Amino acid sequence: AQTVTQSQPEMSVQEAETVTLSCTYDTSENNYYLFWYKQPPSRQMILVIRQEAYKQQNATENRFSVNFQKAAKSFSLKISDSQLGDTAMYFCAFMKRQGNEKLTFGTGTRLTIIP
Amino acid sequence: DVKVTQSSRYLVKRTGEKVFLECVQDMDHENMFWYRQDPGLGLRLIYFSYDVKMKEKGDIPEGYSVSREKKERFSLILESASTNQTSMYLCASAPRIQGPEQYFGPGTRLTVT
Repeated sequence: AQTVTQSQPEMSVQEAETVTLSCTYDTSENNYYLFWYKQPPSRQMILVIRQEAYKQQNATENRFSVNFQKAAKSFSLKISDSQLGDTAMYFCAFMKRQGNEKLTFGTGTRLTIIP
Repeated sequence: DVKVTQSSRYLVKRTGEKVFLECVQDMDHENMFWYRQDPGLGLRLIYFSYDVKMKEKGDIPEGYSVSREKKERFSLILESASTNQTSMYLCASAPRIQGPEQYFGPGTRLTVT
């Protein structure tokens, strides 16, 4: 079974600063996906970024980037030039690549951007 | 845009009542999922479905059942609601082939008194 751990229940940062959210996971699989999902207050959960384990290059989406360390089973999310709209719960999630489309989520990090 | 809708945003039910939560997606996705979200526990998978009339148990199926009679609709049923089922319930859907991303509904906050 897979487990996903987010050790930072809450974080806050000043607007325009950079913040890094941590995620570690445990699996015996070699082929999998990792995700960061964002859940703004009272709004729907949306995908922020996705990483495929076989790709060595870290994924990037505009101000969002990841630091994927496969050997260490670490998958952190960096948000650059943070904006007020980044205030949300952030969930790290794991999915096996084949034969199983289930997501395993971490417990989440509540991020607050301070104006 | 993918749209996943859930029948109610807020719901209050009494202990012992039968509760139906409905989820509808408009993108012809094969896969649909029900999660519950609790503070400090993240999202946990209750049931999922790969196709019409097919269902599989997730990590916490006890006290729940599901129904998928049509491809676009996936219902979660609480046969006899209990106070420990007070939670936020999220539905999601995903295409089988095009990619692993799941698309979420807005959630139903269920309170059982």
